[in-house]
Amino acid sequence: EAQVTQNPRYLITVTGKKLTVTCSQNMNHEYMSWYRQDPGLGLRQIYYSMNVEVTDKGDVPEGYKVSRKEKRNFPLILESPSPNQTSLYFCASRPTGLGNTIYFGEGSWLTVV
Amino acid sequence: AQSVTQLDSQVPVFEEAPVELRCNYSSSVSVYLFWYVQYPNQGLQLLLKYLSGSTLVKGINGFEAEFNKSQTSFHLRKPSVHISDTAEYFCAVILTGGGNKLTFGTGTQLKVEL
Repeated sequence: EAQVTQNPRYLITVTGKKLTVTCSQNMNHEYMSWYRQDPGLGLRQIYYSMNVEVTDKGDVPEGYKVSRKEKRNFPLILESPSPNQTSLYFCASRPTGLGNTIYFGEGSWLTVV
Repeated sequence: AQSVTQLDSQVPVFEEAPVELRCNYSSSVSVYLFWYVQYPNQGLQLLLKYLSGSTLVKGINGFEAEFNKSQTSFHLRKPSVHISDTAEYFCAVILTGGGNKLTFGTGTQLKVEL
């Protein structure tokens, strides 16, 4: 089954404790992206990657890091999480081509206390 | 830069009634347009998209949308809603000339009541 898989789905952590949210897709897509969803703000892009070893900032990259060492994986790293990073996070992927459908993971609920 | 406005944050409607969810975009260049749906505790899935050609686009679950270039709108419609259509709906836009940035609206919560 074609899918985007994120882990963990739910996490409560403390301020300053580094964490990684993994994302993996099995569709051989070149493009991958991370979004955060907050009430009243919709989805905002954090980082995206056009292919292996190619990443770029989205609208809200502060406090986040990403890497793309393999085509299928695109982890999101919070080096020192803060409460304002409490949010619902989505990983997404699509084939090259702006009109192609983006496929989303099921989301990761992150709470930073 | 492009932007998307969804004027209605919530739309209540009775089952079997028609519904229209509004979406307006702002861009000085041509765009591709999308509607995504998010059911409770799930990720987003594509309802329909406009790339070119006919301005009336049909999607899954009986939804359709019409691209209106002069009014820069892409409103979503369904002639008769069902309880299972209760979800949040997001309009999104991307520039055809590149940029790789899919910009989402703030979402419209559709609540279908008996």
